[in-house]
This record gives sequence, structure tokens and C-alpha cells, in this order.
Amino acid sequence: NAGVTQTPKFQVLKTGQSMTLQCAQDMNHEYMSWYRQDPGMGLRLIHYSVGAGITDQGEVPNGYNVSRSTTEDFPLRLLSAAPSQTSVYFCASSYSGGRRNTEAFFGQGTRLTVV
Amino acid sequence: DAKTTQPNSMESNEEEPVHLPCNHSTISGTDYIHWYRQLPSQGPEYVIHGLTSNVNNRMASLAIAEDRKSSTLILHRATLRDAAVYYCILTGTGFQKLVFGTGTRLLVSP
Repeated sequence: NAGVTQTPKFQVLKTGQSMTLQCAQDMNHEYMSWYRQDPGMGLRLIHYSVGAGITDQGEVPNGYNVSRSTTEDFPLRLLSAAPSQTSVYFCASSYSGGRRNTEAFFGQGTRLTVV
Repeated sequence: DAKTTQPNSMESNEEEPVHLPCNHSTISGTDYIHWYRQLPSQGPEYVIHGLTSNVNNRMASLAIAEDRKSSTLILHRATLRDAAVYYCILTGTGFQKLVFGTGTRLLVSP
């Protein structure tokens, strides 16, 4: 049981390049989400998904795309990288739990630098 | 979203208990109180959560005030590995848009 796996761990991009950050979970969780963390700050929600085929925007969605074709995977696409997207990106998943309140599991993060 | 207020930092000695406070005066009746922590260079890690009653697990205890406007995360015996940023977050049921503030940075001295 690997939990939430993010790849790559580190990435350097040039301004204008595009790339996809991968996130996979093996816990059969319905909910998945992407956060970014800038230095000295808390995490901010980018996009989230409540199930395969369903995505929605979070607090800071501009410049990012997501899709959820399977329960396990939730990739984050940077369309045209900008220096302002330099950050650490975290993927999280959680069980819907019905009416129960459940905890989120986070990946180890992808450290992205845009030059 | 209901907000939480935490001290910026706290210090403790190893093997001593640590009480991390959190104020959430605008909490609604259906909000759960979650605590996460983030060790250096790692993703956030779930610690504990509760609704009204005090909760215990292998990592910590959560004491919730009777009026639910504040709570305290209790680490019974701090270790060096407990040095982290601790976040107090309010969530509902369904998908939780976790709102992370700046949390409390806990420093643990040998």
C-alpha cells in the first residue's frame, strides 16, 4: 500500500514550457486534490475531484488544468509555465466517507522551479 | 469558511508534554476540528480530528472546549521528531477544502 505517490519529486522548467505533474493513489479514494505551497505560507487549493470524470476549481486554478479519467490518477497540467508557478505542489486523497468526516492523505510533494 | 487562530511558534523540551492551542470562535455546529502537521520537506500528515468530545489516538490527544470555540492538541511526550508546523483546520462532511493558515511552528529542544 503505497498511499499517494507523486512524480517527479523535482522539476526545473523554462518559462512557457508545459508539463504534467503525476499523482496516483492506491487506496480507492473518491476525493483527490492538488495544493501548492509557496515559501513560508500554508497550502492553497488549486483543483479537486470528487470522483472519476468530475473536477472543480479551487482557490488558485489559473494556469492549471486537471482531468480524472480513473479513480487512481489525478494529473495536474501546467499549460505555459510562469515564474509565479514556482512552488511545491502536493497531491492529496481522501475517502468520501458518506456522512463521516475523514482525513486526507498527502503525497511527498513536487518541487517545481520555473526559470 | 470558519477561520482558526494559532500562535506562530511554540517551544518545548524533549519528553515534556506540549499543548498547542487553536481558537475557532466562528465554528459552526457541523464543523469538525482537524489537526495536521508538516515535517520539514514533507507533505502534511494527519494527526487527529474531533467534533465535540475529546479524542485520543496513538499520536496525540485533542481536547475540545465545551462551547467548541477553542481546542488544544496535546502531545504527551514531545520528541525531536515532533518538530513540525501544526495546522488546526475546520472541515465539514463531503469533500473538505482544507484551508491551511500559517500554523504553529513547534520547536523541540533536546
